Amino acid sequence: GAVVSQHPSRVICKSGTSVKIECRSLDFQATTMFWYRQFPKQSLMLMATSNEGSKATYEQGVEKDKFLINHASLTLSTLTVTSAHPEDSSFYICSARDAVAGGVDTQYFGPGTRLTVL
Amino acid sequence: QKEVEQNSGPLSVPEGAIASLNCTYSDRVSQSFFWYRQYSGKSPELIMSIYSNGDKEDGRFTAQLNKASQYVSLLIRDSQPSDSATYLCAVGNQAGTALIFGKGTTLSVSS
Repeated sequence: GAVVSQHPSRVICKSGTSVKIECRSLDFQATTMFWYRQFPKQSLMLMATSNEGSKATYEQGVEKDKFLINHASLTLSTLTVTSAHPEDSSFYICSARDAVAGGVDTQYFGPGTRLTVL
Repeated sequence: QKEVEQNSGPLSVPEGAIASLNCTYSDRVSQSFFWYRQYSGKSPELIMSIYSNGDKEDGRFTAQLNKASQYVSLLIRDSQPSDSATYLCAVGNQAGTALIFGKGTTLSVSS
């Protein structure tokens, strides 16, 4: 089956630093990747949709200058949390959509990245 | 604002019983519906997708969709302790390009 990896799985950083999270589709090409954030006891909230070769589309209320997304290839998207603060501590999950199959139901989720900002 | 509503639970059932999870959605034109299972600290995994009114069965799982009532449910037969998790209902947006998730229902199956 389709596999999506994320790196790192867990990161702890100091307030004010920037953190980069990678999302890779390992055995398929993904023209679209999605970045979600999940706070404890809450659902997944879509932050942005990342399309290969173009600018990401951010959801309302998500600061695009704070959460930088780059989708430079069909298998890699990165999310950089700039000047992270404790309130950014969350579980960040990416998903990738199969470029061939397309459609909502071919989204495959990565294992998530637990970010803790001290 | 398109919404997906779920009872947060917890829903507690004994081992071997049927667990019934419910979800309602606000966007009448939604066409695709999904159930994901999420274990604590893990990312969601797809259990079922359903697109047409009626029932869809896959092993111990049955998804039910009623578009007129804007209601989708998931039945888990012969519940096992390993089914204990949070179940997320997700609805495809109108463009079919993204998912809108509910807050999830926590299921606890006791042995």
